[in-house]
Amino acid sequence: KQEVTQIPAALSVPEGENLVLNCSFTDSAIYNLQWFRQDPGKGLTSLLLIQSSQREQTSGRLNASLDKSSGRSTLYIAASQPGDSATYLCAVPSDDKIIFGKGTRLHILP
Amino acid sequence: EAGVAQSPRYKIIEKRQSVAFWCNPISGHATLYWYQQILGQGPKLLIQFQNNGVVDDSQLPKDRFSAERLKGVDSTLKIQPAKLEDSAVYLCASSSGQALGYTFGSGTRLTVV
Repeated sequence: KQEVTQIPAALSVPEGENLVLNCSFTDSAIYNLQWFRQDPGKGLTSLLLIQSSQREQTSGRLNASLDKSSGRSTLYIAASQPGDSATYLCAVPSDDKIIFGKGTRLHILP
Repeated sequence: EAGVAQSPRYKIIEKRQSVAFWCNPISGHATLYWYQQILGQGPKLLIQFQNNGVVDDSQLPKDRFSAERLKGVDSTLKIQPAKLEDSAVYLCASSSGQALGYTFGSGTRLTVV
């Protein structure tokens, strides 16, 4: 049974710093891994989708890496801004379902 | 392409009332999901459709929740009667295949008072 874990559960950093969010999964036989952003009480916005054959994906200040063999992914956010404050969730498909981590609540201090 | 549309965005009802949510997935996406997300928790799958058939509804509280996807396009999720613990964000997502990722709607925030 696939399980997804995200560490830390919450993180506060000063504006301008670079930061890394971690995601781990128990079953390395995945098609892909997807990172989402969620603002309070809102839906999920897809940030990056990494296929199993890829090592990383980049979009603007965001860079996601994937190491299938170790069951880990990281989301790197460069030069953080207050607008980056949100909950970040990683998810992997399993039996055509989406298995989510519990998310990391990120707070960027102005 | 247009995203996943959900309505309403917000809903406040009293306990024991009924409520319905609507979802229009991305055109051509055969798979549609409804998730419940309680504050501070990750999304929990309620029901999964493949076209207009139910693939998984094992976590749907069938005594009060129902869902349908007529014609394999739009879907509605209904709660009757609502309980206080149903207060959550209800998320709809669609996919054309797990290798292509998932797209979520903006969610419906339900408050039961």
